[in-house]
Amino acid sequence: DIQMTQSPSSLSASVGDRVTITCRASQSISSYLNWYQQKPGKAPKLLIYTASSLQSGVPSRFSGSGSGTDFTLTISSLQPEDFATYYCQQSYSIPFTFGPGTKVDIK
Amino acid sequence: QVQLQQSGPGLVKPSQTLSLTCAISGDSVSSNSVAWNWIRQSPSRGLEWLGRTFYKSKFYNDYAVSVRSRITINPDTSKNQFSLQLNSVTPEDTAVYYCVRYSFSIRTMDVWGQGTTVTVSS
Repeated sequence: DIQMTQSPSSLSASVGDRVTITCRASQSISSYLNWYQQKPGKAPKLLIYTASSLQSGVPSRFSGSGSGTDFTLTISSLQPEDFATYYCQQSYSIPFTFGPGTKVDIK
Repeated sequence: QVQLQQSGPGLVKPSQTLSLTCAISGDSVSSNSVAWNWIRQSPSRGLEWLGRTFYKSKFYNDYAVSVRSRITINPDTSKNQFSLQLNSVTPEDTAVYYCVRYSFSIRTMDVWGQGTTVTVSS
């Protein structure tokens, strides 16, 4: 199985801050990396697919980059509704695997 | 607009079978451009993919090794839904279970059900 790691595991930030979350795969996954946002009591919501494609309806302050084993999710200017947990997930091969998550909370 | 509506019991006794159903609206369980998945989430295991069913001239299944001996995912074309059965459950199967659509074209899980909290306890 492909193992996914994320850093940091949590971070505190203020509204308007630029936030960067990194994700690493245990082997190359090309660009088959997705990012999800999850709020308490809700299902994960797709933000970014195939590393850098913005899902329809997702604000443009979210962006993704990377290929191979190293990937980044960036929020250019953090908004109050962005405080949540973010997960990366590889869809290169079965079984699909997720990172452990990065919790973004208010400083 | 595709929607997934989950149903099933929230409490299952140890050694019994966990059964959940996911009703699909706005898409078809027989579509050959998507796969229908079950994923669970728990504090100890995080987000864990369990398996999928998909149609490519006939129905196929893939399952996670961790549950392969206990899991069945079945499509129901007459009701446009799919189901999860997990046998011989233990407290370690306590989790929130999600049904999820996977799009082959963009290789991502783009539509999620609302989630069902399942507790395994006597």
